[in-house]
Amino acid sequence: DGGITQSPKYLFRKEGQNVTLSCEQNLNHDAMYWYRQDPGQGLRLIYYSQIVNDFQKGDIAEGYSVSREKKESFPLTVTSAQKNPTAFYLCASRDSNQPQHFGDGTRLSIL
Amino acid sequence: RKEVEQDPGPFNVPEGATVAFNCTYSNSASQSFFWYRQDCRKEPKLLMSVYSSGNEDGRFTAQLNRASQYISLLIRDSKLSDSATYLCVVTPSGGYNKLIFGAGTRLAVHP
Repeated sequence: DGGITQSPKYLFRKEGQNVTLSCEQNLNHDAMYWYRQDPGQGLRLIYYSQIVNDFQKGDIAEGYSVSREKKESFPLTVTSAQKNPTAFYLCASRDSNQPQHFGDGTRLSIL
Repeated sequence: RKEVEQDPGPFNVPEGATVAFNCTYSNSASQSFFWYRQDCRKEPKLLMSVYSSGNEDGRFTAQLNRASQYISLLIRDSKLSDSATYLCVVTPSGGYNKLIFGAGTRLAVHP
């Protein structure tokens, strides 16, 4: 079954801890994206990658890092520098000029 | 001015009603347009793409007005299951460039 898989579904972070959110896709899409959504708010772009081994900052990249070593994988690390990490994190992928497909998200909370 | 603007609503309508949402965008070079639906605490899902000539999918009709830089979504014969937040999405230009999401319009259909 083709799609985008995010894990874990729920994640708790302690003060000063880095955590990594996983995103894997088997749709053979070149481009992948990470968004953050706060309650009652729209999606805000954190990072995106148009091709393997390349990525660009989005609108709110501070406190986050990514890697794109494989086409199918685009993990997001929420670092201790991100002071307000509690949010719903969404990963997406797409082909050129096509709409994005989303994973079902990871909810991150602070302990 | 936001790049993509939507009335946040909520639009409260009875079952069977016809309801319309508009969305305005600021970049006249925008090339692709989409409507997504997002249920509470879920990921956004593509509802329909929006084509220059307008397009229809069952009870849903999407229109694009390039001169006035807005897109619209019309829902006929509203169902309880249509209750969700509807996101307007625009791509500034072709390729893998990031999509710009509106903050969404909330629709509540009541019996």
